Amino acid sequence: EAAVTQSPRSKVAVTGGKVTLSCHQTNNHDYMYWYRQDTGHGLRLIHYSYVADSTEKGDIPDGYKASRPSQENFSLILELASLSQTAVYFCASSDEAGGDTQYFGPGTRLLVL
Amino acid sequence: GEQVEQRPPHLSVREGDSAVITCTYTDPNSYYFFWYKQEPGASLQLLMKVFSSTEINEGQGFTVLLNKKDKRLSLNLTAAHPGDSAAYFCAVSLPRGYQNFYFGKGTSLTVIP
Repeated sequence: EAAVTQSPRSKVAVTGGKVTLSCHQTNNHDYMYWYRQDTGHGLRLIHYSYVADSTEKGDIPDGYKASRPSQENFSLILELASLSQTAVYFCASSDEAGGDTQYFGPGTRLLVL
Repeated sequence: GEQVEQRPPHLSVREGDSAVITCTYTDPNSYYFFWYKQEPGASLQLLMKVFSSTEINEGQGFTVLLNKKDKRLSLNLTAAHPGDSAAYFCAVSLPRGYQNFYFGKGTSLTVIP
């Protein structure tokens, strides 16, 4: 079974602070994704990556950076956290883009005060 | 881009009744369709993946119908039980090579014992 882990599982951050969310997958998948989930909005794609050392913007990249130092690891970075970034963040991985199933991590609940 | 509308946002049924959740999409090139289940506080788990060439797909306790003419995807839980209480999300993707999944906003299902 696909294995995607995230850390931390929850975090409280202060406005203007830096936050790093980490994701690790053991699926040997090329594609990794970061989504945020807000009530009433479903999941929205922030950044994705299809190879180490390269990241791409998703639908809502403003205020977020991403880093893919290796095939297994994908980080989401909030350089200056804002109240509007309070959400649950999910990481996912897939073998290919498009039709391949995305496997999700457990999520990180971020509260920005 | 693709637009996915999911209805209803909230659904409450009695144990043993059926529950139907529907998604409509706009891009006729959409080819892969997914249903995910998210239990409270948990991650998204794949229920079923269907291809555009298959209209009826049966799982354990549910049926997924795809109507390509109407661009409509539905999840029908037959004889719902309390363990089905969760959020359900549809997702639509284009053929291989396209990065994005397009998610519906979700349906919160409550099954009353």
